[in-house]
Amino acid sequence: GAGVSQSPRYKVAKRGQDVALRCDPISGHVSLFWYQQALGQGPEFLTYFQNEAQLDKSGLPSDRFFAERPEGSVSTLKIQRTQQEDSAVYLCASSFPLMAAAATDTQYFGPGTRLTVL
Amino acid sequence: GDSVTQMEGPVTLSEEAFLTINCTYTATGYPSLFWYVQYPGEGLQLLLKATKADDKGSNKGFEATYRKETTSFHLEKGSVQVSDSAVYFCALSGRSAGNMLTFGGGTRLMVKP
Repeated sequence: GAGVSQSPRYKVAKRGQDVALRCDPISGHVSLFWYQQALGQGPEFLTYFQNEAQLDKSGLPSDRFFAERPEGSVSTLKIQRTQQEDSAVYLCASSFPLMAAAATDTQYFGPGTRLTVL
Repeated sequence: GDSVTQMEGPVTLSEEAFLTINCTYTATGYPSLFWYVQYPGEGLQLLLKATKADDKGSNKGFEATYRKETTSFHLEKGSVQVSDSAVYFCALSGRSAGNMLTFGGGTRLMVKP
């Protein structure tokens, strides 16, 4: 596809349920990021992959959050035993780094998955 | 750690008014700076960026200059349109591994005809 896609767009879960959120990055993009955006706030970093390697997971708020990208393309963010405080929009972004330390690279964002935990 | 502070909204302007949205940052080293925009019902889109001091990013009539001495990256537009109504996010990317973005809290702009 032309851009980053995410599914589902909306997810309602009962407290305690497990959820899985999917991200399809732009084809060929090496880097993939997950962010969490609470209502009325800016996105906050969760985790980062370079190809299939998860190089940074410092932003994951608890061990209930788990992300994977087994073949270096599609990524899944899983939240176990969801809590009300997990309600947020989960954003995925991808980029194609032009060089090793590519802070200049543009990240392309998907539309997000809005998770509501009741 | 890295942080971004931007003016709180909402900012309400009449069409053709001049826009400034302030953004200041704290970071080690020399980050890259970005403005992203989120239109109603849509995802985040890059508006402009600057990757080194004194660089000016510009797009769609918007511009911002990377000011290292004041650690600022204020967004400006000379004449706003109703279609510019959106939420604007200032962000930085440090030189650490991963280059994740650190965002400000966002500023909602409402432009009235």
